[in-house]
Amino acid sequence: EIVMTQSPATLSVSPGERATLSCRASQSVSSKLAWYQQKPGQAPRLLIYGASTRATGIPARFSGSGSGTEFTLTISSLQSEDFAVYYCQQYNNWPPFTFGQGTKLEIK
Amino acid sequence: EVQLVESGGGLVQPGGSLRLSCAASGFTFSSYSMNWVRQAPGKGLEWISYISSSSNFIYYSDSVKGRFTISRDNAKNSLYLQINTLRVEDTAVYFCARCESYYTGSVSPIDYWGQGRLVTVSS
Repeated sequence: EIVMTQSPATLSVSPGERATLSCRASQSVSSKLAWYQQKPGQAPRLLIYGASTRATGIPARFSGSGSGTEFTLTISSLQSEDFAVYYCQQYNNWPPFTFGQGTKLEIK
Repeated sequence: EVQLVESGGGLVQPGGSLRLSCAASGFTFSSYSMNWVRQAPGKGLEWISYISSSSNFIYYSDSVKGRFTISRDNAKNSLYLQINTLRVEDTAVYFCARCESYYTGSVSPIDYWGQGRLVTVSS
């Protein structure tokens, strides 16, 4: 089973600033890496798939990069609605699909 | 508009059983694979089961194998999860979620999720 590790667990950033979230896989997942955003009481929402492709309707301030075992989600200029928990998920070696433990992005 | 609406769940005693349902609309249900993903209170996401579009391929996580059964009825655009021998640690919000599978054996990421249904296991 591939273990996904996200860092940091909590990230405090001011609105308008850039946020950088990391995700590491215990073995290569090629580019089959997705990022999700989850707000309290809501279902996760797909942001990025294929490591760097934005899902439909996702603003351009969200970008993903990386391949193999190291991945990054960057939010270029944080808006109030971006404060949430973010999860990475690999879908290369399955089953099982595995998620990272999440990064909570909070307002500084 | 793609919609996934879970039903069932609630409070169940340890050792009990229940069935979750997920009604799908806004897409050709029979063309997509489906999953169940759960989230314990205050915790992260845990994938627990997958079923292919025609039910030919079914997978479970080790944590639920032997106790949970996934199924679907394409004529009714519905997905199900039968949960037996419930444990306190099964307390979670259960999401149904869609993905695609390809003839190569690969899959897409989960692209749509239901709103989730809380299952509480307690005496």
